[in-house]
Amino acid sequence: QQPVQSPQAVILREGEDAVINCSSSKALYSVHWYRQKHGEAPVFLMILLKGGEQMRHEKISASFNEKKQQSSLYLTASQLSYSGTYFCGTEIRNSARQLTFGSGTQLTVLP
Amino acid sequence: DSGVTQTPKHLITATGQRVTLRCSPRSGDLSVYWYQQSLDQGLQFLIQYYNGEERAKGNILERFSAQQFPDLHSELNLSSLELGDSALYFCASSVSGAVTGELFFGEGSRLTVL
Repeated sequence: QQPVQSPQAVILREGEDAVINCSSSKALYSVHWYRQKHGEAPVFLMILLKGGEQMRHEKISASFNEKKQQSSLYLTASQLSYSGTYFCGTEIRNSARQLTFGSGTQLTVLP
Repeated sequence: DSGVTQTPKHLITATGQRVTLRCSPRSGDLSVYWYQQSLDQGLQFLIQYYNGEERAKGNILERFSAQQFPDLHSELNLSSLELGDSALYFCASSVSGAVTGELFFGEGSRLTVL
C-alpha cells in the first residue's frame, strides 16, 4: 500500500525546476506532501483532496489526478532552501484512515 | 517548533531491553501518530490514537505497544529490543481523528540498540 515516488534523488541548480511524482495502486482519498531537512522533523507542505485539485506553497505546487491515483509536486525556480527529502503520503479510500508515506525523494539544490 | 514534544531525544540501550518513548501533542490536538524512520528510509506508520482510543494500526510489531492517556500524551513501548529496532521514532499530532489535516511532527526520539 506504500505509494511509489520517483525519482529517488534529483540534483539541480538554483533557479531550475523539478518534478516529483507519487503513484498508488489503490484508489486514493487524499495525497499529502511533506519535506524533511536533514536531521529535522518532516514539515507539512500541502494536502490534495479532490481529483485534479492543485495547491500551492510559495513556489511549490502540486496536482492530484484522482483517476490515475497519481500526484506530482512541482518545484519552480528552486531555491537553496528547497533541499531536503520530499515525502508523499497517501490515504486510501475505504480503508482505515492512515497516512502511508512513500520512501521519499532526496532533492539537492546547488548554488 | 511544532508544539509536539518527544522525550527522550536520544536513547542507547542493549538488545533484549525495553524502552518507553513519550510524546506530548500540541495543545488542542486529539490525535497522536507514531512513525518509525530507519536510516535513509521512509516513514513507516505504526499506530494512531484519537482521544484515548486506538484509531488505526499500521506495521507495528507485536513487541511494540502504545497508549494514549487521559491528558492526551502518548507512550510507545518497545520491548525485547533487537538491533533492527534502531531508528528514529517520530510522534505527530493533529486536531481530528481523520487524516485530512496537517500532521505536526515532533523532533523524534533516536533509539540505538547495541
